[in-house]
Amino acid sequence: NAGVTQTPKFRVLKTGQSMTLLCAQDMNHEYMYWYRQDPGMGLRLIHYSVGEGTTAKGEVPDGYNVSRLKKQNFLLGLESAAPSQTSVYFCASSYPLTGGAFRVNEQYFGPGTRLTVT
Amino acid sequence: DAKTTQPTSMDCAEGRAANLPCNHSTISGNEYVYWYRQIHSQGPQYIIHGLKNNETNEMASLIITEDRKSSTLILPHATLRDTAVYYCIVRLNNNAGNMLTFGGGTRLMVKP
Repeated sequence: NAGVTQTPKFRVLKTGQSMTLLCAQDMNHEYMYWYRQDPGMGLRLIHYSVGEGTTAKGEVPDGYNVSRLKKQNFLLGLESAAPSQTSVYFCASSYPLTGGAFRVNEQYFGPGTRLTVT
Repeated sequence: DAKTTQPTSMDCAEGRAANLPCNHSTISGNEYVYWYRQIHSQGPQYIIHGLKNNETNEMASLIITEDRKSSTLILPHATLRDTAVYYCIVRLNNNAGNMLTFGGGTRLMVKP
């Protein structure tokens, strides 16, 4: 299993440009998440999804949109990038109730995408 | 969610056990203790979790005190690759889109 993969690994954008970050998981997880991590800080949840076709806002959703058209993929879009969105973006996935063991907090993270907006 | 308190940093000699403490004195009866770590420039990695019994897996052991107000993560034979920031997180195990709140964590330095 590849686990959680993210594309691209690095990207530099100019203010106002748009881009889409792709997250893919091959663990058949129901839940997927997008976090951002700024230097010296913890992770902050941007958006999450509890299943194919569903999305919800997290702690810092402004300036981002997401889509979950397929169970294994979770896309994060920046419509008009701003320097404040310079960060490392992590995708994670987890699964809900399975065989009596509720494991939603066992989140598996991707390697991250380092985004710089100039 | 209950707040956690961890030492800012710790050192450990390679090959020795690393014992990382966490205080969570306001933990409620149905909250679990989770441990994650983040190696430099990588995504966080789930290590272990527990409710009230001690737990062990291939990575670590988790010791939770009887009153559940504190816990200790034990890496039995620390290696240089275990150098990372270790996060203790207390969470309910419910059916919600759970954001993992990573606090300051403990920066563990394993030295040769």
